[in-house]
Amino acid sequence: QKEVEQDPGPLSVPEGAIVSLNCTYSNSAFQYFMWYRQYSRKGPELLMYTYSSGNKEDGRFTAQVDKSSKYISLFIRDSQPSDSATYLCAMTAPRGGSNYKLTFGKGTLLTVNP
Amino acid sequence: DADVTQTPRNRITKTGKRIMLECSQTKGHDRMYWYRQDPGLGLRLIYYSFDVKDINKGEISDGYSVSRQAQAKFSLSLESAIPNQTALYFCATSDTGTPASYEQYFGPGTRLTVT
Repeated sequence: QKEVEQDPGPLSVPEGAIVSLNCTYSNSAFQYFMWYRQYSRKGPELLMYTYSSGNKEDGRFTAQVDKSSKYISLFIRDSQPSDSATYLCAMTAPRGGSNYKLTFGKGTLLTVNP
Repeated sequence: DADVTQTPRNRITKTGKRIMLECSQTKGHDRMYWYRQDPGLGLRLIYYSFDVKDINKGEISDGYSVSRQAQAKFSLSLESAIPNQTALYFCATSDTGTPASYEQYFGPGTRLTVT
């Protein structure tokens, strides 16, 4: 079983839809969870990060972590064509000084149609 | 100007050639990373450096070497390129500490094709 599993999509939704992106993981030591957004022909950029379990909201974006189920989600409300990108989840286990090492999901390609 | 720059942006080379990919940053970060991205495999860490004198192998370092010429410069070399090194290569930087080290700033990438 891979450490991080992410459905690659592609996912296509109409403008204004609520989008749900998800990752599952197997390493119970993961404590920091991140979502990166990658536009075509660009490098990934950090969208949000969450420590341990719970929710975090930033504008139209909400990140959720359920450590008991080893499941994280990113919700996008009122999706816009400018949200069209690949979304990568990433996570890390900061013990023992290994806080540099991010384990990435493969990414989900999202297209929001006007 | 971009905070993390990579050169070249695109490169086509032949099997057996030596090639160097360069990365420069103006963010003042100590930590720098090299990743490759392949369809279906995601981002994988090749090498990372915590400072000029601290360089470490990542999960897929075979066939690659790096040089940290200065705090701001980190180069990746393919000593003898092979076709399965065809990929998108990203340089990234981060600050130190928690959670700053999780916020990695990526360059625009180098698309490398080995024929």
